Order: sequence, then C-alpha cells, then structure tokens
Amino acid sequence: AAGVIQSPRHLIKEKRETATLKCYPIPRHDTVYWYQQGPGQDPQFLISFYEKMQSDKGSIPDRFSAQQFSDYHSELNMSSLELGDSALYFCASSLAGGWGQETQYFGPGTRLLVL
Amino acid sequence: QQPVQSPQAVILREGEDAVINCSSSKALYSVHWYRQKHGEAPVFLMILLKGGEQKGHDKISASFNEKKQQSSLYLTASQLSYSGTYFCGTEFSGSARQLTFGSGTQLTVLP
Repeated sequence: AAGVIQSPRHLIKEKRETATLKCYPIPRHDTVYWYQQGPGQDPQFLISFYEKMQSDKGSIPDRFSAQQFSDYHSELNMSSLELGDSALYFCASSLAGGWGQETQYFGPGTRLLVL
Repeated sequence: QQPVQSPQAVILREGEDAVINCSSSKALYSVHWYRQKHGEAPVFLMILLKGGEQKGHDKISASFNEKKQQSSLYLTASQLSYSGTYFCGTEFSGSARQLTFGSGTQLTVLP
C-alpha cells in the first residue's frame, strides 16, 4: 500500500538559510499534518490542512509557513533557520471521517540539521 | 495540555506483559496510540473514541476510561519487536485536527 512520501529525507543547512520540505500524502487522503520532533522528544504539532485550507495551527514559528496544493501535496517553508530548528519533521496524512476517527499515517520524516 | 504517560520507561523479558497509561487533565475526544522505533516514523496502533471502549488486535489492546480521562495500552506476551517508544496522541473535545502527544514510554523487550 502507498504510504506518505517526504522529501528530502535528509537536509543540512546553515544558520539563516531557508529550507523547503515536501510531503505527498497517501492517495485520496485530504488532510495533511506537520509535526516537529526534537531528539528524545515527542512530536509537536505544527500545522494542518484540510482540502487545501489551513485547518489548525500549533506551535509553528512565524518564520515557518506551509500550504497544501491542488494535488494535495504540502510544503513546509522554513526561513531564517536557527540551530534549534534541527529536528525530525514528520508529515502525516488522513482521510476526513469525523472528529477523532481520522487515523494519521506518518511519513518517514525529513531530518534537518542546521549548522 | 500535554497528556501524562506512565511509566516513562519499562524493561521486560520476552513473554511478559506491560501496561502503559495516558492521562489527561483536559476532556478527551479520542486517544491514538503509536509505536516509534528510533529514527523512524510513528506507526499507528489504534484509536479509541470517548464512550469508554476497548479495542485490541493480536496481543495489543487498549481501553479508554472517559470518567478518568485515561487510556491504557496493554501488551501481553511481549515480543522483541514490541521494543520502541509508545506515544499516546490525544484529541481534545472541540479541537480541530491535531494530536497532542504524551512524552512517551520507552519499552525494551529483552530475550
């Protein structure tokens, strides 16, 4: 079965640079979520999109922005990168089915290292 | 508010049982359980909705006590493959599409 695809899998950037992470949800899934996971931490919700509209916003820094495109893929844009942005970034997707019934399937993640 | 998971870590021998708890001070609509191995994506285990249900497949099951706002994950006759960090992801009543994860329980199964 097709899974969530994320690219790139690994990314190394310098401080103050920008980065773009891409997420391709499972086919027919209409909701995309972004999570940030630091070493030894739990995943922290950043932002979600449903049918190409922003659905909910978590602890996403103002330096970050995201969108979902007409083909349902999503991109997370990160600017003015800081050392503390180094983390695993997961994208998850789900098919809308009512509150609490939407299983989120996680992609393999993008490991971002900011030097 | 982040749900509280307990214990933080547990070490088992193959074939032993374990219980992982997830408690919230805020009303829960659903609880999602995931297992994550180091450096990999969280893998979905099951969802429990408010209403106090119990679910299970194979030797892993879970319950949701709405009165206590608590969910428990039960692992019976543990296998080496059960090792990993278990997270509960909570969805609060009235909230939109996001999960708030607990701090995780590191489970190690030894031969």
